Amino acid sequence: AQSVSQHNHHVILSEAASLELGCNYSYGGTVNLFWYVQYPGQHLQLLLKYFSGDPLVKGIKGFEAEFIKSKFSFNLRKPSVQWSDTAEYFCAVNARGRDDKIIFGKGTRLHILP
Amino acid sequence: DSGVTQTPKHLITATGQRVTLRCSPRSGDLSVYWYQQSLDQGLQFLIQYYNGEERAKGNILERFSAQQFPDLHSELNLSSLELGDSALYFCASSVGSGPGLAGGGDTGELFFGEGSRLTVL
Repeated sequence: AQSVSQHNHHVILSEAASLELGCNYSYGGTVNLFWYVQYPGQHLQLLLKYFSGDPLVKGIKGFEAEFIKSKFSFNLRKPSVQWSDTAEYFCAVNARGRDDKIIFGKGTRLHILP
Repeated sequence: DSGVTQTPKHLITATGQRVTLRCSPRSGDLSVYWYQQSLDQGLQFLIQYYNGEERAKGNILERFSAQQFPDLHSELNLSSLELGDSALYFCASSVGSGPGLAGGGDTGELFFGEGSRLTVL
């Protein structure tokens, strides 16, 4: 069965710092990959997704993620974070062609210091 | 506002009791997913329904059951409640049957409700 690991549970950065949040999945077949974000007091919402094609995916608010198949990774990046990026970030995977489950990681709480 | 409505927002009950959580998906969405979020387990996938039928099953306990009605709203029933069932229960909806089997025909985007916080005392 597919699973997702997010190794950073809490990350604290200062504004303008660069961000990289790690995400690794375990599944030997083809995958669909997602990053969701939950801002304080709000519902989860999609940040970006990868289905196929260019492994470098750009999402909303300046975020991007790179799918590296050989490393089973889909790390989220942002060159310069803002205070408003304070949120919890979830990586998710779906085993394409197998089922429609979307399995989430445990999340990474990001706190940006002003 | 995601368009997904969950009720109740908060619920406090005792061990051994039974509760029902309700979810109304976005207008036009056919799939409903249920997730349980706890501090130590993160977001655990419970079950998915598509157009009234069970589509995928995750780590859902036998004490829990769900269904999707003809009007597409869904209910998650939790019975014989234990302290460990205290958690935030999220419902999400999507347009199609899901990203895995439909391939390019489904965006795979889930729209989440704000959750129902269950406290079992």
